[in-house]
Parts: sequence; C-alpha cells; structure tokens
Amino acid sequence: EDKVVQSPLSLVVHEGDTVTLNCSYEVTNFRSLLWYKQEKKAPTFLFMLTSSGIEKKSGRLSSILDKKELFSILNITATQTGDSAIYLCAGNTGNQFYFGTGTSLTVIP
Amino acid sequence: GAGVSQSPRYKVTKRGQDVALRCDPISGHVSLYWYRQALGQGPEFLTYFNYEAQQDKSGLPNDRFSAERPEGSISTLTIQRTEQRDSAMYRCASSLALGGSGYEQYFGPGTRLTVT
Repeated sequence: EDKVVQSPLSLVVHEGDTVTLNCSYEVTNFRSLLWYKQEKKAPTFLFMLTSSGIEKKSGRLSSILDKKELFSILNITATQTGDSAIYLCAGNTGNQFYFGTGTSLTVIP
Repeated sequence: GAGVSQSPRYKVTKRGQDVALRCDPISGHVSLYWYRQALGQGPEFLTYFNYEAQQDKSGLPNDRFSAERPEGSISTLTIQRTEQRDSAMYRCASSLALGGSGYEQYFGPGTRLTVT
C-alpha cells in the first residue's frame, strides 16, 4: 500500500531556531516528492525533488531527497512567526499524489 | 495572475441532496486533480484528468461521486445523494504538465461542504 508518513506531527519552536521536518515514503513507481506549505487556505508549492542528494534551496528553506532510504527532509533556518503553518509532503507515483498528514509548525516570538 | 478558482467556497446541503462543485484551473494547465481533505489531514486523492480525459478515478469513494471535464478546462465534481460523511473540504489542483510527470500542482481555495 502506498503511503507517506511525516514526522513530527507537530512542533513548537522559538523565532530564530532551525527546524527539520521529515517525510518518508513508500510508493510504487515513484516519480517525485513535493513539499507544500499550508496556512489557512490552499497548500502552496515549495519544492519538487526527483534526484537523490541534490539540495533545493529557497531563501531560508531547503530540502533534499534520499531515494535509497526513501525519505526527504525540509529544513527551515532562522525561523520566523510567518513560517507557522502545516507542511505537507506528497509522493507522486505517476498517476497519483499521496500526501502525508503534515507537520504543524508553530513559531513563537 | 489568476490562480485556480473553485465555487462555491462554502456549501451547506441537506442529506440526500445532490451537489456540484466547480473548479476553474489555471489557463493552459493540462492536468486537473480533485482531492478531499478532512480537518487535520493531508489531501486525499480522488481523481484526475489530462485534458478532458479522466485518467484515474480510483480515489472516488463510491459511485455517488463522479467528475467530468468535458472541454478540458473547467471541471465539475458531483456528489449524488449526499451523506453526512461527505462533509469535508474539496480541493482541486491543476498542473502545467500531464499527470504522472510529477510536476508541481497549484491548488485552489477549496469548497467547504457541510451535509446536515
């Protein structure tokens, strides 16, 4: 059964901290892994990863994929209150996107 | 620029009624996906289209759910004889590339369906 598991389920940190969010996946015909940030409305796209070991970076966010161990991490450095959100990862199998339940991140001032 | 739009944003209906949820994808996007998202959960795949062709409907929970995209643009998700367990946020997403290529999807704001 295809599945995506994220950890931790929730996280509370102080502004300025660095956080690492985990996503492990078991999907047949894996094509790519995607990260999204979901605040009150629709999830917004962050990264798409297809190759192992190549870090993708956008400002304070970065992500990497390990296709051998079947996981990905999302790092956020120097967190800000605006980073508070649910972070979703999804495995694409070709026909379907399987989402994890998300990690709820709360950054307190 | 215009993103994915969905209507209505909120729908309250009585059990047993039919509802139709509309999705207007980003112009030029060829693939369109429907998801259902329960509170505190990630989006659950329902079905997707490449252009007007429904490619995979394995996520539709039962035969009361159907979707169409007759002209390869706007899509409608229809739920017949609604039940309380159908209450959820229904989200649509579109992608520039054909489904299966792994390209990023852009989500609409969702329709919050409440069945009373």
